[in-house]
Order: sequence, then structure tokens, then C-alpha cells
Amino acid sequence: RKEVEQDPGPFNVPEGATVAFNCTYSNSASQSFFWYRQDCRKEPKLLMSVYSSGNEDGRFTAQLNRASQYISLLIRDSKLSDSATYLCVVNLPEGGGNKLTFGTGTQLKVEL
Amino acid sequence: EPEVTQTPSHQVTQMGQEVILRCVPISNHLYFYWYRQILGQKVEFLVSFYNNEISEKSEIFDDQFSVERPDGSNFTLKIRSTKLEDSAMYFCASTGRGGSGANVLTFGAGSRLTVL
Repeated sequence: RKEVEQDPGPFNVPEGATVAFNCTYSNSASQSFFWYRQDCRKEPKLLMSVYSSGNEDGRFTAQLNRASQYISLLIRDSKLSDSATYLCVVNLPEGGGNKLTFGTGTQLKVEL
Repeated sequence: EPEVTQTPSHQVTQMGQEVILRCVPISNHLYFYWYRQILGQKVEFLVSFYNNEISEKSEIFDDQFSVERPDGSNFTLKIRSTKLEDSAMYFCASTGRGGSGANVLTFGAGSRLTVL
């Protein structure tokens, strides 16, 4: 089983749509969870951290289900500028450091 | 906003040549990392560095790779004898905090390495 698994997409949605991405992780001892955004040929940029209670930042909502080892990202009222690849990222506790493990990413294309 | 800077942005080299990729992490950060991303694939951890020594490295980070912090600002990744499969985007990252808490890495814009 992959350490972090995501549907690669692409998800093609019209402007204004709501879209949800899912991610599963294999190591139950994982402690920190993030969604990063990566534009084509650019560096990953933090979109939001994911907390056990769930958290919201504007149009973005992240959820974590530790029992199912599942993370989700919901984007409401999607905009053209949301087009990017969304990376599910997990901090595995090996060595006690910040060794982030990335999923392959889910590509989102928002269209007029 | 503070940023991580990387040079060069793109380097083309012949197989077997040595390459040094340079990074200037955010000034008050203490933990430094190199990740790589082969075109079309996921971002992969290479190495983490703290207190002038490697704290963790992946299987990818073999004897051909080394890292160094030669002065108070630069953090370098050296590939001794490049192979075709080293062609990738190499990202430097830094953070001010360690441990397994919710730490956020700031990535540089990347150095694209093309090995011919």
C-alpha cells in the first residue's frame, strides 16, 4: 500500500462548483497532515494544515479521520485560479523529524 | 515575506559530472531539507539537516549525494557523478521548528537539473 494515496484526477469542474479531494495514508502513527498546492513546474506551497477537529479557511475545508486514516479537502465556489495540483502531505514520525511524505497529487482544472 | 532562494534555476550537465545546487534558507530557520521531484512524479524526501549534520536521509540519498552548510547562510546539495536518472527538480526547504508537531516547511522555487 502506498504511504499516501490520492486520486490523480484530473478533476475538471466549472467555475463556482464545489469539489472534494480525498487522501488515505498507511501509517497510523502519522502525526501531522497538510494540503499543499503546486502549480505547474513550481514549488509546493502550503494551503492549510489539517487538524483532528477539522478546519476551514475561507472557501477551503479540511477534514481528518484518524480511525479511517483519511484526509479530505473541500473547495467551495471554485475559481479559475484554483486550477493546480493539490498534494496531500503527511508527516511520518520516523526519526522524529519533519520528513514529509507527499501523495502524487490530484489535478484540478476549473473551467469557464 | 521571507523566502528560500535557490540557484541555479536550471542546470544542464553531462552524465558523470559533479553538480552543486545552492540554497539560502530563511535566516532564522534551523532545519533544512532537500526534496526532489522527477517530472510527472511525486515530491520525494532526500535529506534533512540540523545542527550541521544530517538528521535523516532517504534511500535515494546514496553515496553520490552530500550536503553541506559551508557558512552561515548557504545550504548545498552536491551530486558527485550525475546519472541520467538524477534529472529532476530539486527543492530546498527550511523550517524553524523540529519535532513531530505541525511544522510547516517553506520551499524554494527549485533547481531543475537536466543530465544528458
